Amino acid sequence: KAGVTQTPRYLIKTRGQQVTLSCSPISGHRSVSWYQQTPGQGLQFLFEYFSETQRNKGNFPGRFSGRQFSNSRSEMNVSTLELGDSALYLCASTGGQGENIQYFGAGTRLSVL
Amino acid sequence: TQLLEQSPQFLSIQEGENLTVYCNSSSVFSSLQWYRQEPGEGPVLLVTVVTGGEVKKLKRLTFQFGDARKDSSLHITAAQPGDTGLYLCAGVNAGKSTFGDGTTLTVKP
Repeated sequence: KAGVTQTPRYLIKTRGQQVTLSCSPISGHRSVSWYQQTPGQGLQFLFEYFSETQRNKGNFPGRFSGRQFSNSRSEMNVSTLELGDSALYLCASTGGQGENIQYFGAGTRLSVL
Repeated sequence: TQLLEQSPQFLSIQEGENLTVYCNSSSVFSSLQWYRQEPGEGPVLLVTVVTGGEVKKLKRLTFQFGDARKDSSLHITAAQPGDTGLYLCAGVNAGKSTFGDGTTLTVKP
């Protein structure tokens, strides 16, 4: 069974630009969560999607948005990038009902210059 | 806001030594998870503890959930260089995970 796939692995953008990150969950998993990881703040929860609907949301500004498609693939978008958005963005998928095991992808390393 | 504090933040030891990492919160969690993350990779789940006072062993790793389900510890016996990595605890409530800032462990040969 293939794991969680995140693309691209690395991304360099400049301030003010926007970026879209992609996450393909494990086949059959319907829940996808996104996290931001930085050395100073650790792993911060962004949002969770389940069956194309946002089910949970963290405390991030509206510049951070996401969506999920009918095949459970998810995208995360950050608009008007700021230097502080530089981070590792991790996606995790969760499987069957009642299961609370998150399987993480390797992440997308975003650098904002 | 549910916060998890991990200590120590950094730990550098020699191969063969024992160590304990702590994860503390003022909040009660329905379960607590420990993950290990290596450079360039995402976190990988090591264990989930659910019951207050529960102890789980995974080879040389021993995980304990506090009686009040607010804290947890990870003890590694006879650490090996392969144990090097970032150890993260995560408290779970209503399907939502709150992560600690992590403990970076370096085991020198």
